[in-house]
Amino acid sequence: QQQVKQSPQSLIVQKGGISIINCAYENTAFDYFPWYQQFPGKGPALLIAIRPDVSEKKEGRFTISFNKSAKQFSLHIMDSQPGDSATYFCAAILSGSARQLTFGSGTQLTVLP
Amino acid sequence: GAGVSQSPSNKVTEKGKDVELRCDPISGHTALYWYRQRLGQGLEFLIYFQGNSAPDKSGLPSDRFSAERTGESVSTLTIQRTQQEDSAVYLCASSLAVANEQFFGPGTRLTVL
Repeated sequence: QQQVKQSPQSLIVQKGGISIINCAYENTAFDYFPWYQQFPGKGPALLIAIRPDVSEKKEGRFTISFNKSAKQFSLHIMDSQPGDSATYFCAAILSGSARQLTFGSGTQLTVLP
Repeated sequence: GAGVSQSPSNKVTEKGKDVELRCDPISGHTALYWYRQRLGQGLEFLIYFQGNSAPDKSGLPSDRFSAERTGESVSTLTIQRTQQEDSAVYLCASSLAVANEQFFGPGTRLTVL
């Protein structure tokens, strides 16, 4: 059962453009929503995260928008750069759990120079 | 200090053989997780260790999979009688006891021929 659905599977953006990746979840017991960035041959690294009581969080060029009623959240990368080319995963953590991550299926982002 | 390290980085084995994968977490991190990442997919939770508590094995796909952890240090993931569907990247992550941020190692790429 896929608890976190992510789209698109792949995304190509021109340098300077905005990259948008979307995720949706079903389980309202999730209480923490991180985004991870993964480069080839490396493990995922935490990029930015949000709690469901906040509608938006911004860190530099990266912004998470969170819609609790729709059970959706998205990552926006402003002024996308070729160095942002990587695979991005949304994830969620269940309240009261062992804090294990439930991951989306990933989005492969390519930023063209 | 050093990040999470894993060994070997690559492992090729024949169907039916046993394999052992190793994870060295960040010093002081009491929580340790194992995940599996199949090609082009998101990460799947396998097992979780927290201090001296009983591990959460709810993500292990079959009884061929087992893991151990010595205190709050090294962990080993063992796959017995490997099958071709076990081919994946196995990632280890560690975190502070009640923290949401998990730090991932580079993974072990397992190929079962």
